[in-house]
Amino acid sequence: QITLKESAPALVKPTQTVTLTCTFSGFSLSTIPVGVGWIRQPPGKALEWLAFIFGDDDKRTSPSLKSRLTITKDTSKNQVVLTMTNMDPVDTATYYCVHQDRSSWYELDYWGQGTLVTVSS
Amino acid sequence: QSALTQPASVSGSPGQSITISCTGTSSDVGSYNLVSWYQQHPGKAPKLMIYGGYKRPSWVSTRFSGSKSGSTASLTISGLQAEDEADYYCCSYAGSNTFYVFGTGTKVTVL
Repeated sequence: QITLKESAPALVKPTQTVTLTCTFSGFSLSTIPVGVGWIRQPPGKALEWLAFIFGDDDKRTSPSLKSRLTITKDTSKNQVVLTMTNMDPVDTATYYCVHQDRSSWYELDYWGQGTLVTVSS
Repeated sequence: QSALTQPASVSGSPGQSITISCTGTSSDVGSYNLVSWYQQHPGKAPKLMIYGGYKRPSWVSTRFSGSKSGSTASLTISGLQAEDEADYYCCSYAGSNTFYVFGTGTKVTVL
């Protein structure tokens, strides 16, 4: 059974850097086609993909946020960490962690429950 | 990369069928059979409903079906039920650089 759970500070000040952690179970991120990614959703708005990392350490980052995002994995801890710099109130959103398998159809088949990050002074 | 275009809202009566469109470009929907659809109830995480354009995960009712024509993908819900009232998002693979593009989202209301 695949599960994912996000953790992050609930409140962040503008210009700060935030670290979001995804802890997962039920699969290994050592398997090459398997990936874990981050999707966010501002309140009342649409979904937006942020970044993915795969078993071979291949990384994909949204072109519009590329300069602000860093994604890493710790296979031994079953964790993926996303760092976002220079936070702004427009970054207020629920951040979801997702599972993906590139050997399938690029679908996002398992999602975490999400964690709300509010950016405010 | 612009978001895929979906109607803001679609409604139908119980038992009816509705279709949600998802219009992209030749760089995403038009180039890949890798469109997926997600259902999201208020306060909940999105749930995969369709992948590969028309494939259903084991947990999805056969009332949900997907298709594609050119650069437009569609999700059809047959035999509409009250529990189908939710937001729906399409998503397409868009190549190794852009990777993904999501739709603008559609609110489905069961009258």
